Amino acid sequence: GENVEQHPSTLSVQEGDSAVIKCTYSDSASNYFPWYKQELGKRPQLIIDIRSNVGEKKDQRIAVTLNKTAKHFSLHITETQPEDSAVYFCAASNGLGNNNDMRFGAGTRLTVKP
Amino acid sequence: NAGVTQTPKFQVLKTGQSMTLQCAQDMNHEYMSWYRQDPGMGLRLIHYSVGAGITDQGEVPNGYNVSRSTTEDFPLRLLSAAPSQTSVYFCASSYSISLGYGYTFGSGTRLTVV
Repeated sequence: GENVEQHPSTLSVQEGDSAVIKCTYSDSASNYFPWYKQELGKRPQLIIDIRSNVGEKKDQRIAVTLNKTAKHFSLHITETQPEDSAVYFCAASNGLGNNNDMRFGAGTRLTVKP
Repeated sequence: NAGVTQTPKFQVLKTGQSMTLQCAQDMNHEYMSWYRQDPGMGLRLIHYSVGAGITDQGEVPNGYNVSRSTTEDFPLRLLSAAPSQTSVYFCASSYSISLGYGYTFGSGTRLTVV
């Protein structure tokens, strides 16, 4: 099955700086790559996603890039704010046929210092 | 529209006991999954379903059973609880993973096995 690796496991930045989280995946057939944000004690929530036919997607301060050749994708957060502090998870899924399971990375704990 | 509803929110079991974690969604989603979340290990897929009557195993299925008799419900059964099953369990649903729709998560069940 798919294996997703995520780095770094912890990341601390100063408010206003940028943060980058990187993930690699193993299954070249994976075609959907979402990112989730989980605040302490809460459920994961989808913040942005990208499909394999797109190289980059942006939504205000967050963006995701995908390199299919290298099998890695990244989350970029610009102008970080204290409320961005949370655990972020990447995931990968191959939606072909009935193989619709989604695998997650181990998570990155982002701390934004005011 | 309640989204994804999980019950109970908290549960303590003794080793060897069995129980069922309930999950229901009212969004008419075909895709549903169960994940467990342990510190430092992200979200690991237990079982998933692509529609009523269809289920499949994820990466950590041992000790768990599922069934999908209706589109709305996807219960997770622990057959004989073990301390290693102490975790937070999340149910999730999606309109379609293959079409690039992310999962909506329930609020989670925190299970402790003593």
